[in-house]
Amino acid sequence: DAKTTQPTSMDCAEGRAANLPCNHSTISGNEYVYWYRQIHSQGPQYIIHGLKNNETNEMASLIITEDRKSSTLILPHATLRDTAVYYCIVSLRMDTGRRALTFGSGTRLQVQP
Amino acid sequence: EPEVTQTPSHQVTQMGQEVILRCVPISNHLYFYWYRQILGQKVEFLVSFYNNEISEKSEIFDDQFSVERPDGSNFTLKIRSTKLEDSAMYFCASRPGGPGQPQHFGDGTRLSIL
Repeated sequence: DAKTTQPTSMDCAEGRAANLPCNHSTISGNEYVYWYRQIHSQGPQYIIHGLKNNETNEMASLIITEDRKSSTLILPHATLRDTAVYYCIVSLRMDTGRRALTFGSGTRLQVQP
Repeated sequence: EPEVTQTPSHQVTQMGQEVILRCVPISNHLYFYWYRQILGQKVEFLVSFYNNEISEKSEIFDDQFSVERPDGSNFTLKIRSTKLEDSAMYFCASRPGGPGQPQHFGDGTRLSIL
């Protein structure tokens, strides 16, 4: 799987948009970008994923650059409950489901009141 | 919204004992996974399971570990002869069929080996 690079930590003011970047310059054409977050020691929570188009759901938006070498997760109105470690993961599109997710160190987002 | 459930939330066991961690994946999912996270470290993949057999395992998943889907709803991880270094959070995940579908995780079992 392609390797990802994320900032170690970021701060965001409550109510403002949080923009979390991720570099995945070695991504291949059949690899998806997934975003998860982990609050304290809870299980990783799925946020959003995409292949090449931008995606939006009730939690966040995912912007993928045209060359697919980087992406940005956007939390439009961050709340204190969004304080967590955010993981950007690139994984093969495999229908067999064999591909495990490889978690890095992620970005620790601290939302400030 | 359906979710992956894991029991127990916390398991305390004496070193050398066997433990079974239980998971109920989301009902229409086809692929099942176990991960672990030692305190302060990254989430690590252990094993994936599909069509009643292991499809991939990491180097962590040695003969001490086994998985089973004993019925249509449960997915278990057994650790034989536990060691102190098995102390960790263990997360179960599942995903449906279809390309690119994401894995969904349970809230984990905290395993403490004394």
